[in-house]
Amino acid sequence: ETGVTQTPRHLVMGMTNKKSLKCEQHLGHNAMYWYKQSAKKPLELMFVYNFKEQTENNSVPSRFSPECPNSSHLFLHLHTLQPEDSALYLCASSQVGGGALSSYEQYFGPGTRLTVT
Amino acid sequence: AQSVTQLGSHVSVSEGALVLLRCNYSSSVPPYLFWYVQYPNQGLQLLLKYTSAATLVKGINGFEAEFKKSETSFHLTKPSAHMSDAAEYFCAVSDLGGNTPLVFGKGTRLSVIA
Repeated sequence: ETGVTQTPRHLVMGMTNKKSLKCEQHLGHNAMYWYKQSAKKPLELMFVYNFKEQTENNSVPSRFSPECPNSSHLFLHLHTLQPEDSALYLCASSQVGGGALSSYEQYFGPGTRLTVT
Repeated sequence: AQSVTQLGSHVSVSEGALVLLRCNYSSSVPPYLFWYVQYPNQGLQLLLKYTSAATLVKGINGFEAEFKKSETSFHLTKPSAHMSDAAEYFCAVSDLGGNTPLVFGKGTRLSVIA
């Protein structure tokens, strides 16, 4: 595998279900991100992890719970979601913090299309 | 705080015509600027980036962008549109320290008419 991978690619879940989205980056980066992309809305940054530590949480409801066990893996745990949470969830990674290896551009996975029924 | 404004949520061009997608930014420090493309049901793919070197940046698929500090702009152009260029395009900005996540514009949908 190369780049950023996300599983599953599609997910349909009821409002009472619990599911998790997985992201894995194979680029050796030290920062990972979750974004939400809804129809006709701009990209919404949800969470940021730098060096496995959460550094940003943009007022995301608690029904979304991120987990970053190491610098290569990022999860988004979902429970008791609402229909308005249906969206494309994108994961990204980058190399930040200065230094010769930092490039700042984010590399995106293909996304998970989530439908909440 | 940084911000990005993309003028025009939808741009339509004829095949073979010039593509011009507009992006203006606001940043209190010298910025890094990016253009991404998103095809349907896919993630975002980096087209090109400006990182304070040459002001005219060439990217993939024949696209290029010019950084104009005086106009705080970073417009994306392509001399001749192809049907395969139809997609959503996003402009993004980051500060030089790279310690803040990218700030994205709302996107511009490009349609190419045969």
